[in-house]
Amino acid sequence: DAKTTQPPSMDCAEGRAANLPCNHSTISGNEYVYWYRQIHSQGPQYIIHGLKNNETNEMASLIITEDRKSSTLILPHATLRDTAVYYCIVRVAINNDMRFGAGTRLTVKP
Amino acid sequence: GAGVSQSPSNKVTEKGKDVELRCDPISGHTALYWYRQSLGQGLEFLIYFQGNSAPDKSGLPSDRFSAERTGGSVSTLTIQRTQQEDSAVYLCASSLDPSEQPQHFGDGTRLSIL
Repeated sequence: DAKTTQPPSMDCAEGRAANLPCNHSTISGNEYVYWYRQIHSQGPQYIIHGLKNNETNEMASLIITEDRKSSTLILPHATLRDTAVYYCIVRVAINNDMRFGAGTRLTVKP
Repeated sequence: GAGVSQSPSNKVTEKGKDVELRCDPISGHTALYWYRQSLGQGLEFLIYFQGNSAPDKSGLPSDRFSAERTGGSVSTLTIQRTQQEDSAVYLCASSLDPSEQPQHFGDGTRLSIL
């Protein structure tokens, strides 16, 4: 699976959009991009995933660049409860496991 | 609907004892995964079950670790003769099948070895 690079930490003001970047320059054509988050003492929570098209669900939007070498997770109106570590994972669909890196610690401030 | 359920949520035991951790996957999910997460670290893959196929045990750290999945549903992870380095959060996840469908995680069992 391709390696991902994320900033270690970010801050966001409550009510504003949080834009979390991820670089995956070695991604291959059959690898999906997944986003999870983990709040202290809880298991990772699935947010969204995509292959090459932009995706949106009730939690977030995923923007994947045309060359697929990077992506951005957008939380449109961040709340204090969105404070968590966010993980970007690139995975071939048939692989068994999810390879979590260090992620981005997002802090939403009042 | 109900998510992945793990029990116990916390387990404290003495070094050398055996422990059993339980995972109830989401109903209808055929794939089940075990991971562990040490303090401040990423997830470490342990084992994967898919339907009636032989499990992928490639992530088990030693022969003290074993897991089974009965009836294609509930899974038990067993650690024999526990060591202090086994202390971690053990996470279970399930998914619809081994395709691009995402894995959904439980909240884990926090295991502390004294």
